[in-house]
Amino acid sequence: DAGVIQSPRHEVTEMGQEVTLRCKPISGHNSLFWYRQTMMRGLELLIYFNNNVPIDDSGMPEDRFSAKMPNASFSTLKIQPSEPRDSAVYFCASSNRYGYTFGSGTRLTVV
Amino acid sequence: DAKTTQPPSMDCAEGRAANLPCNHSTISGNEYVYWYRQIHSQGPQYIIHGLKNNETNEMASLIITEDRKSSTLILPHATLRDTAVYYCIVLQGGSEKLVFGKGTKLTVNP
Repeated sequence: DAGVIQSPRHEVTEMGQEVTLRCKPISGHNSLFWYRQTMMRGLELLIYFNNNVPIDDSGMPEDRFSAKMPNASFSTLKIQPSEPRDSAVYFCASSNRYGYTFGSGTRLTVV
Repeated sequence: DAKTTQPPSMDCAEGRAANLPCNHSTISGNEYVYWYRQIHSQGPQYIIHGLKNNETNEMASLIITEDRKSSTLILPHATLRDTAVYYCIVLQGGSEKLVFGKGTKLTVNP
């Protein structure tokens, strides 16, 4: 089991560009979560899916952020257009009824 | 809206037991107590969870008070690699959203 796989590990982009973060959850896990972590705000839940359906997106900061889960093995978090204040580490996690597993994160820097 | 209260920081000497407290006075009867930790720049890592009985695994022990309003995570022989932020979280089960508070930053000193 390779765990939750996120890509890329690091992303540096210019303000205004579109950014797409990717996540492959653990096979058999039925829930998927996107988190953002900054020094100021800690770990924030952005959105989560259950059986590929978005359940709670109340943490998505604004319309520039969108997330999709087209199938059980893939999810994306897109920021368009990106801004410097979006710089953070973005974590994906998946879970089943036994527990949660986090990926290694994507460190996003918007300059 | 984390439902737990933890001290912001603690120190522990290497080789000694680290006891991390957590208050969760509003916990419901069907809510579990979960502990996670985050080592610098890594994703949070599951440690242990329990409902009302004390639990032990290869990483740690979890002691839950009889009224379930507080718990203590015990790392029996702390090492330098245990330096991390430790999060105590209460929730109903594995498909519910995990909400992190500020946690306790544990520093293990040589």
